[in-house]
Amino acid sequence: DAKTTQPNSMESNEEEPVHLPCNHSTISGTDYIHWYRQLPSQGPEYVIHGLTSNVNNRMASLAIAEDRKSSTLILHRATLRDAAVYYCILGGGGGNQFYFGTGTSLTVIP
Amino acid sequence: DTGVSQNPRHKITKRGQNVTFRCDPISEHNRLYWYRQTLGQGPEFLTYFQNEAQLEKSRLLSDRFSAERPKGSFSTLEIQRTEQGDSAMYLCASSRGTGGIINEKLFFGSGTQLSVL
Repeated sequence: DAKTTQPNSMESNEEEPVHLPCNHSTISGTDYIHWYRQLPSQGPEYVIHGLTSNVNNRMASLAIAEDRKSSTLILHRATLRDAAVYYCILGGGGGNQFYFGTGTSLTVIP
Repeated sequence: DTGVSQNPRHKITKRGQNVTFRCDPISEHNRLYWYRQTLGQGPEFLTYFQNEAQLEKSRLLSDRFSAERPKGSFSTLEIQRTEQGDSAMYLCASSRGTGGIINEKLFFGSGTQLSVL
């Protein structure tokens, strides 16, 4: 299973953009890059996913490096409700499960 | 979508007892997953169903663990002879299952928190 590397924690001021990095140097050509987040006492929540091109949805943007060995989740204006653990996951490799790492704990400062 | 429902939310049991958790996936979702999460760690995959067929099991799923999904609807996860190391959050997720998982969204429930005393 392909691995991802994320910083353990990050801080952001409220209403400022947040860039959450993820390294996945062993990604294969068919692996999708998924992001989930988990708020306290809740199950993970889907945020966004993509393969090669940058992706946007109402929650966030996903910027994928040209070589696909890294990606960045962008929250355009952080709110207090965005405080959560963010997981970067690779989906693929012939398997049928997602392997979560320990993620990045995002703190949003009012 | 009414969301993935898990019951109970919390379960406290004594070591050696059997426990069973239930997961009701989003209606018409073909795939159902069980994950386990301990404090400070990300969720760990346990097992996966495509309709009623259990297609994959993690080596984390010891012989004391059994999961079923009769008729491809709700699922149950049973732990026999619980041990203190089984204390964790047990998460259920479902997905449409119309293609490869690599391009699917998983919808998680809020989990069942198990405490083994």
